[in-house]
Amino acid sequence: DAGVIQSPRHEVTEMGQEVTLRCKPISGHNSLFWYRQTMMRGLELLIYFNNNVPIDDSGMPEDRFSAKMPNASFSTLKIQPSEPRDSAVYFCASSSKPGQGNQPQHFGDGTRLSIL
Amino acid sequence: AQKVTQAQTEISVVEKEDVTLDCVYETRDTTYYLFWYKQPPSGELVFLIRRNSFDEQNEIGGRYSWNFQKSTSSFNFTITASQVVDSAVYFCACKRGGSEKLVFGKGTKLTVNP
Repeated sequence: DAGVIQSPRHEVTEMGQEVTLRCKPISGHNSLFWYRQTMMRGLELLIYFNNNVPIDDSGMPEDRFSAKMPNASFSTLKIQPSEPRDSAVYFCASSSKPGQGNQPQHFGDGTRLSIL
Repeated sequence: AQKVTQAQTEISVVEKEDVTLDCVYETRDTTYYLFWYKQPPSGELVFLIRRNSFDEQNEIGGRYSWNFQKSTSSFNFTITASQVVDSAVYFCACKRGGSEKLVFGKGTKLTVNP
């Protein structure tokens, strides 16, 4: 079975440019999560969706960050304009049966983002 | 709010040694779930194990075992007869019942030397 698929795997861009990260969750999973991993702050939850609806975006750093989930099989995380401090590894994860709490989240391979 | 503490930042062992990774969690919830994830040098995050707060039975799965102690709020993870391929960063995480938010510890970097 296909796991969570993220693209691109690596992104290098200049400060001020728009960055779009993409994620395809595991088929049948109803919850989708975006995380950011840095050395200083570890793994941080940015936002998550249940059944394509954003539930909690309290982890989104600022208005430059936005996330959408137009359908059950696709989500984007957009940074506009990007800044060097946004450099990190961004993970997408998905899980099934929202509300039950006991379902593990399955992660994609991540997107390593570097803003110059 | 929940909190997960992994006091061991880095551990280094020689192949075939047993190694235990410590995890202490804080939560006010009576129903919660605990997880261990592995992040090898290639960078992906791999789900390893899950425990429910109402089930303290400890199990063994191959070379992996875990010790869940509610009295001390600990959820330790043991690798028996470690192998070089076990070298990775291991994350402990906690989630309260009914919530989707997973709170991670800072991770423990395990290096298994040949």
